[in-house]
Amino acid sequence: KNEVEQSPQNLTAQEGEFITINCSYSVGISALHWLQQHPGGGIVSLFMLSSGKKKHGRLIATINIQEKHSSLHITASHPRDSAVYICAVRAPPTSGSRLTFGEGTQLTVNP
Amino acid sequence: DARVTQTPRHKVTEMGQEVTMRCQPILGHNTVFWYRQTMMQGLELLAYFRNRAPLDDSGMPKDRFSAEMPDATLATLKIQPSEPRDSAVYFCASGLEGGSYNSPLHFGNGTRLTVT
Repeated sequence: KNEVEQSPQNLTAQEGEFITINCSYSVGISALHWLQQHPGGGIVSLFMLSSGKKKHGRLIATINIQEKHSSLHITASHPRDSAVYICAVRAPPTSGSRLTFGEGTQLTVNP
Repeated sequence: DARVTQTPRHKVTEMGQEVTMRCQPILGHNTVFWYRQTMMQGLELLAYFRNRAPLDDSGMPKDRFSAEMPDATLATLKIQPSEPRDSAVYFCASGLEGGSYNSPLHFGNGTRLTVT
């Protein structure tokens, strides 16, 4: 079992739909990152969170530390949101602060 | 906008040759990460530096890979000798860490390495 599991692996939506991508992890963490990778390959850090909820524009990220689970939501999705979304967890400094990645969720938003 | 700069963007080389990839982290950041991304394995951590000291390089094949930070503005990743299975995109990322604080990571655009 991977330390970080994302679901779904692939997601196709129509423009305007509300989208949720889930991330579950099995290790203790100091922080969780949501990353976005566009077809061109560049990676952008969307959020880093260790508790609660963060919002940026149409993106919302939540984390439940007790349940070891995080979700990334996209409201009013748009074709330009099409990308791979990657969840990554950061081990605590006592464990070397290693970053472990999920396998990513390929999102396609159709017009 | 401050950004992480990686060079070269693309590198094609023959098996057995030495490859050096460079990364300039964002000024003021004290952590640097090297990652490799392949279709088969996804993103993998190769090495992690804090304040220029290597803290974790367990993901790196030690016989051929080496990572260094000669100064705070430059991180290098070397492969010698290179092999076709090293073909991948290599990303560098930097961040700021202090006590319990971890900043978001900033990624470079990557170096696409092809070893023939």
